[in-house]
Amino acid sequence: LAKTTQPISMDSYEGQEVNITCSHNNIATNDYITWYQQFPSQGPRFIIQGYKTKVTNEVASLFIPADRKSSTLSLPRVSLSDTAVYYCLVGPLSTDKLIFGTGTRLQVFP
Amino acid sequence: EAQVTQNPRYLITVTGKKLTVTCSQNMNHEYMSWYRQDPGLGLRQIYYSMNVEVTDKGDVPEGYKVSRKEKRNFPLILESPSPNQTSLYFCASSFQWGGSSYEQYFGPGTRLTVT
Repeated sequence: LAKTTQPISMDSYEGQEVNITCSHNNIATNDYITWYQQFPSQGPRFIIQGYKTKVTNEVASLFIPADRKSSTLSLPRVSLSDTAVYYCLVGPLSTDKLIFGTGTRLQVFP
Repeated sequence: EAQVTQNPRYLITVTGKKLTVTCSQNMNHEYMSWYRQDPGLGLRQIYYSMNVEVTDKGDVPEGYKVSRKEKRNFPLILESPSPNQTSLYFCASSFQWGGSSYEQYFGPGTRLTVT
């Protein structure tokens, strides 16, 4: 499974766009990039997954450059309720183990 | 509503008193897993199950047991709990075939304190 590196924490203000970058230099050909969100004292929640270029859903966008060695989770116009820990995971679609790193703690201020 | 449920949500117990944390999912998922989350250590996998009667160890299985007799249930058993098992526990499930097992659904968590 590819090792991932992401910032430990980020601060933002309401209404701003937040971009969280994840580095995964040894990503394999069949690996996908998945992001989870975790609120305090709740289970992680799957938010987006992609393989290349750009993926968008109602929650976020995921940008993946051509070399796939990094990816960026973009949260448009964050609100206080987006304060959470965001985890980047990299691996094949079918796996027996999710490996969560320490994630990025996003704090949104009013 | 598609969901993973865990019971109890909170439990305070004493060292050595056997306990079971139940996990149930209503999505017909093949794969189920248990994690524990500790400050500074993140989420660590305890056990997982690919299907009924198929279980395997994760990264931190010591002191835990699991069973998968039915597809929907995956209980976590602590035969003789110790204080170092004080933690926040999450159960998760996903499809193993025909979908991404990275899209896991997590339960609400069980906060266990062992004194």
